Amino acid sequence: GENVEQHPSTLSVQEGDSAVIKCTYSDSASNYFPWYKQELGKRPQLIIDIRSNVGEKKDQRIAVTLNKTAKHFSLHITETQPEDSAVYFCAANTNAGKSTFGDGTTLTVKP
Amino acid sequence: GAVVSQHPSWVICKSGTSVKIECRSLDFQATTMFWYRQFPKQSLMLMATSNEGSKATYEQGVEKDKFLINHASLTLSTLTVTSAHPEDSSFYICSAAPVGTGAYEQYFGPGTRLTVT
Repeated sequence: GENVEQHPSTLSVQEGDSAVIKCTYSDSASNYFPWYKQELGKRPQLIIDIRSNVGEKKDQRIAVTLNKTAKHFSLHITETQPEDSAVYFCAANTNAGKSTFGDGTTLTVKP
Repeated sequence: GAVVSQHPSWVICKSGTSVKIECRSLDFQATTMFWYRQFPKQSLMLMATSNEGSKATYEQGVEKDKFLINHASLTLSTLTVTSAHPEDSSFYICSAAPVGTGAYEQYFGPGTRLTVT
């Protein structure tokens, strides 16, 4: 089955700096890669996603890049703000919609 | 749009009893719903995939007789934890994939915190 590895497990940045979280996946059949933000005790919220036929996608301060050959994808957050502090999960989905999640990255943005 | 609700939001039950958790898509129809389990400070683990009108597909290691899933309509899936034990205490989250999205897009419910005493 699919295996998703996510790094780092914790990340602390100063407000205004950039944050990068990286994920690798094992199943070449995976073709959809969402990123979720989860605040303590709350549901995961989709923040950005990318499909396998696209190399990069950007939405304001958030961007995702995908390297299908290397089987890795990354989340980039620029101009970080304290409200960006949360746990971020990457996931890899197959056509069946089955999601395999990474272990999560706890991002702390210090004011 | 794309709102998913879960009920109850939290429940405490005694060991040996059963608990039913409901997952509803409020403003869209969902052919497929997913059930996840999340332990504190850990990732989401897929338990089963639920398709309307058919039997759920369980992930390896998940006991289908213990975690009963019913997806009776395009807006409702239920998870029943039977003969609950303290080790079943966890945060259970469902997600729903709108019809026509190929199950790519998933919208999560707020979760149900189950505590078994």
